[in-house]
Amino acid sequence: NAGVTQTPKFRVLKTGQSMTLLCAQDMNHEYMYWYRQDPGMGLRLIHYSVGEGTTAKGEVPDGYNVSRLKKQNFLLGLESAAPSQTSVYFCASSDLGIQYFGAGTRLSVL
Amino acid sequence: AQSVTQPDIHITVSEGASLELRCNYSYGATPYLFWYVQSPGQGLQLLLKYFSGDTLVQGIKGFEAEFKRSQSSFNLRKPSVHWSDAAEYFCAVGGNRGSTLGRLYFGRGTQLTVWP
Repeated sequence: NAGVTQTPKFRVLKTGQSMTLLCAQDMNHEYMYWYRQDPGMGLRLIHYSVGEGTTAKGEVPDGYNVSRLKKQNFLLGLESAAPSQTSVYFCASSDLGIQYFGAGTRLSVL
Repeated sequence: AQSVTQPDIHITVSEGASLELRCNYSYGATPYLFWYVQSPGQGLQLLLKYFSGDTLVQGIKGFEAEFKRSQSSFNLRKPSVHWSDAAEYFCAVGGNRGSTLGRLYFGRGTQLTVWP
């Protein structure tokens, strides 16, 4: 019963470094999403995917890239990290109904 | 444009008291509606959802919510709060057509504190 798994759970980066966050789901869902959560802001959608090989921009896509090469995986990349990207990142998947969330990745950019 | 407003940033109640968390939404049609709960350091867990039909929906942990179309509201209620209910609660609108299909639009959350 893994559901949605995010790796890593924590990461500290220096400004300008790059990294990739991995999201994996085992529910055979078509839709996958990346959100960021900041205090008092709720969850804001970064990018999402409506199926393998597709991606689309959400509310706050700048500074991030994504890829969905396999149906079960959705990768979020930061090419050149900035302090403004310090946040908690959540991945979710859905079948057009309920979205199921991972446990989150806490990222600090110094 | 789709939006969700949770007017109360922080609510404090005594254990055993009743609870109502407010949620108002803006959407061009009848939306899908959700309440999620987040405990500290955790992901979001679905409490309940409304897709269609009976406007009073029951969820987990003794929570319920009522969809009121005329007020564009989906308030969350619990008759008697337990200390373990202390968490952050998010209301969300789910798009069900066009470019909003499959997307969720979240409110900013209500932090619930429970006094013993």
